[in-house]
Amino acid sequence: GAVVSQHPSWVICKSGTSVKIECRSLDFQATTMFWYRQFPKQSLMLMATSNEGSKATYEQGVEKDKFLINHASLTLSTLTVTSAHPEDSSFYICSAREAGSGNTIYFGEGSWLTVV
Amino acid sequence: EDQVTQSPEALRLQEGESSSLNCSYTVSGLRGLFWYRQDPGKGPEFLFTLYSAGEEKEKERLKATLTKKESFLHITAPKPEDSATYLCAVRPGRGSTLGRLYFGRGTQLTVWP
Repeated sequence: GAVVSQHPSWVICKSGTSVKIECRSLDFQATTMFWYRQFPKQSLMLMATSNEGSKATYEQGVEKDKFLINHASLTLSTLTVTSAHPEDSSFYICSAREAGSGNTIYFGEGSWLTVV
Repeated sequence: EDQVTQSPEALRLQEGESSSLNCSYTVSGLRGLFWYRQDPGKGPEFLFTLYSAGEEKEKERLKATLTKKESFLHITAPKPEDSATYLCAVRPGRGSTLGRLYFGRGTQLTVWP
């Protein structure tokens, strides 16, 4: 089956710094990728929809200047958490829809971010 | 408003004790109901997609069914390795970005020997 890879799996950064998380579709092209955030024992909350070659669409309440999304190619989307603060510590997960596959959505393994 | 509600929140079963997880939904024009399995600290693993009422899909000890208002994930003779959080998600049909999913909170299943 299709594979979505995230990197890094976990990262610790200092408060005030920025950190980038990559999401790659390894064996298929993804015109659309999605970024989710998940707190412990909570469900996935959609942050933004990343479209290849255009601006991302952010969900209500998500700061676009804080969570920068770039979808430069059909296999790569990046999420940059700028000026990170401890409250940004969370599990970030991306998903990708395989172009032409209908409705199947594949998820990455997730990235743990800890801001100290 | 599109909503997905899963029950129970947590379920403990003895190995071999069959049971069902419920996912109730209200959505404008369902274009797919998805079941995922999520292990602690990992991303969701795709299990099934159901598209229309009456549809059923099976995979090993799991069987998913769909009605117009809810979906069930039946677990037959579960084993400890089936312990995980099971997530249900829907994709609305009208005015929705392809691939955008709405998730329930999940059911945390624990199967003990």
